[in-house]
Amino acid sequence: NAGVTQTPKFRILKIGQSMTLQCAQDMNHNYMYWYRQDPGMGLKLIYYSVGAGITDKGEVPNGYNVSRSTTEDFPLRLELAAPSQTSVYFCASSYSRPTNTGELFFGEGSRLTVL
Amino acid sequence: TQLLEQSPQFLSIQEGENLTVYCNSSSVFSSLQWYRQEPGEGPVLLVTVVTGGEVKKLKRLTFQFGDARKDSSLHITAAQPGDTGLYLCAGARGSQGNLIFGKGTKLSVKP
Repeated sequence: NAGVTQTPKFRILKIGQSMTLQCAQDMNHNYMYWYRQDPGMGLKLIYYSVGAGITDKGEVPNGYNVSRSTTEDFPLRLELAAPSQTSVYFCASSYSRPTNTGELFFGEGSRLTVL
Repeated sequence: TQLLEQSPQFLSIQEGENLTVYCNSSSVFSSLQWYRQEPGEGPVLLVTVVTGGEVKKLKRLTFQFGDARKDSSLHITAAQPGDTGLYLCAGARGSQGNLIFGKGTKLSVKP
């Protein structure tokens, strides 16, 4: 079972460069999320989607963009990378909302360093 | 400000000891989840608690949701090295019900 697949696992960017973190899930989940995890800071929600064609901002959306053209894919775009975006990024999906006790299934993470 | 406060931040114990990890907030949550994360991996769900005062057991792990649904605790009995990891609590609230995570408790169990 693939679950949630993220690519790349590691990436080094120069300041000002752009890139896309890919996320795909094969569980037919409507809900998908992007979190970033900084050391000692827990996970912060960047963007989320409740279904194909629908996306919305989370707690820390500045500097990022997302799209959801299919149920399976939820790429995260970084424009004009900055050192503050150095972090580990996690994509997750769920069958239902967390308020309906929906379990989040996470990918293995993408470690991004901006120099 | 951190909506969910976890304590302690770090915990290093010997195999066989008992421990309790706390997750506190001034806000009410519709549900609260506990995840465990191992190095280089994403978090994995341990349990979801929904009802105030609810207690759930998962082998040697006991989870409790506070009566007012503002806090939770995780108790591990006779800890084992395999329990080592980062324990994260996450509360669901708001119109969209997205999860808000605490900073986590990093547990190390030495043989």
